[in-house]
Amino acid sequence: DTEVTQTPKHLVMGMTNKKSLKCEQHMGHRAMYWYKQKAKKPPELMFVYSYEKLSINESVPSRFSPECPNSSLLNLHLHALQPEDSALYLCASSQRIGGYEQYFGPGTRLTVT
Amino acid sequence: QQQVKQSPQSLIVQKGGIPIINCAYENTAFDYFPWYQQFPGKGPALLIAIRPDVSEKKEGRFTISFNKSAKQFSLHIMDSQPGDSATYFCAASGRASGSARQLTFGSGTQLTVLP
Repeated sequence: DTEVTQTPKHLVMGMTNKKSLKCEQHMGHRAMYWYKQKAKKPPELMFVYSYEKLSINESVPSRFSPECPNSSLLNLHLHALQPEDSALYLCASSQRIGGYEQYFGPGTRLTVT
Repeated sequence: QQQVKQSPQSLIVQKGGIPIINCAYENTAFDYFPWYQQFPGKGPALLIAIRPDVSEKKEGRFTISFNKSAKQFSLHIMDSQPGDSATYFCAASGRASGSARQLTFGSGTQLTVLP
């Protein structure tokens, strides 16, 4: 089973709202990733967690705040977003941070109004 | 150095045709080359991958050809079907800082297979 699940599927939020995206995997993977994907573009890496610790932050604005409460869960907390932050947010996981295969979830379609 | 160049941007073939998508890279530290298939509104799905010690890999109707000296690799889809219509991303992976491994994606190819 190579399933990564994400909730919600769709999210509409105002610029003053606070919301969270959730990602879950039960493959025993110890590396988890957040990506942002704009229409007709490839995914862009935002954050990497390895063994529940933040390993890579690709200079993402502080209005995006990741959290990894345990080895199966990854959250992305959103606050004071801008309309240009509207995108598909993808979670992925790999066996470990040096692992080859990354498996993506279905994504959360975020619209900031 | 980190870029992966993908072509064509879009591709239309008839059912049964063999679409070919090409990618080229510069960074010789890349050592893993996956292809992802993405349907509208879905996340990318790992389709097939190759490492530079082999020149070809087949999985079902999908074949990767790899030319290490030219730093190029390509995806061939045999007997293409309308259900193969999707966006295809090539990617390359190598060791980043420490033991981290990051994917560098190509720009994507939108494939349409006509019935």
